[in-house]
Amino acid sequence: DQQVKQNSPSLSVQEGRISILNCDYTNSMFDYFLWYKKYPAEGPTFLISISSIKDKNEDGRFTVFLNKSAKHLSLHIVPSQPGDSAVYFCAASKAGNNRKLIWGLGTSLAVNP
Amino acid sequence: GAGVSQSPSNKVTEKGKDVELRCDPISGHTALYWYRQSLGQGLEFLIYFQGNSAPDKSGLPSDRFSAERTGGSVSTLTIQRTQQEDSAVYLCASSLGHTNTEAFFGQGTRLTVV
Repeated sequence: DQQVKQNSPSLSVQEGRISILNCDYTNSMFDYFLWYKKYPAEGPTFLISISSIKDKNEDGRFTVFLNKSAKHLSLHIVPSQPGDSAVYFCAASKAGNNRKLIWGLGTSLAVNP
Repeated sequence: GAGVSQSPSNKVTEKGKDVELRCDPISGHTALYWYRQSLGQGLEFLIYFQGNSAPDKSGLPSDRFSAERTGGSVSTLTIQRTQQEDSAVYLCASSLGHTNTEAFFGQGTRLTVV
């Protein structure tokens, strides 16, 4: 049972436009959410996170929005750059002693020049 | 080093042989994860260590897979009697644990079973 879902396996946008990557989750106990970026032949790198007490977190060109009632979060990249082309993973964890990360399957973003 | 280190970076082995993959986490990180990524697939959770607690082995695909974490630091993932379907990139990550789940990943070990 996939508790964290990224329903779009791929996304293509033009350079300079906004990229919006979506993530849905089913477990209401999740209280912390993270986005990772992965280039081919490299391990994922942390991008941005958000706690469930917030609904928005911004870091430069990257903003994550959290809608707890809808169990939905999204990552906005604006403006998109060709170097942003990568696979983006959404991950979640729940409070408690075992803060294991639960991962989505990823969305492959292609930013076209 | 400052980051998560994995060795070897590449491993080619014959079907039926055993392999050991090593992970050196970031010093002070109490949580350690093993994942694998097969060609065209997402990250597949294998096993999770948190401090001195019993590891979460729920992701190990078969009893040919096992992992240890000695002294709360270095971890070894062992695959016995390797099969071709074990070919994948095996990723290790560590994090501070309980209150901070931002995980830092190593570069991975690419395992090819021929």
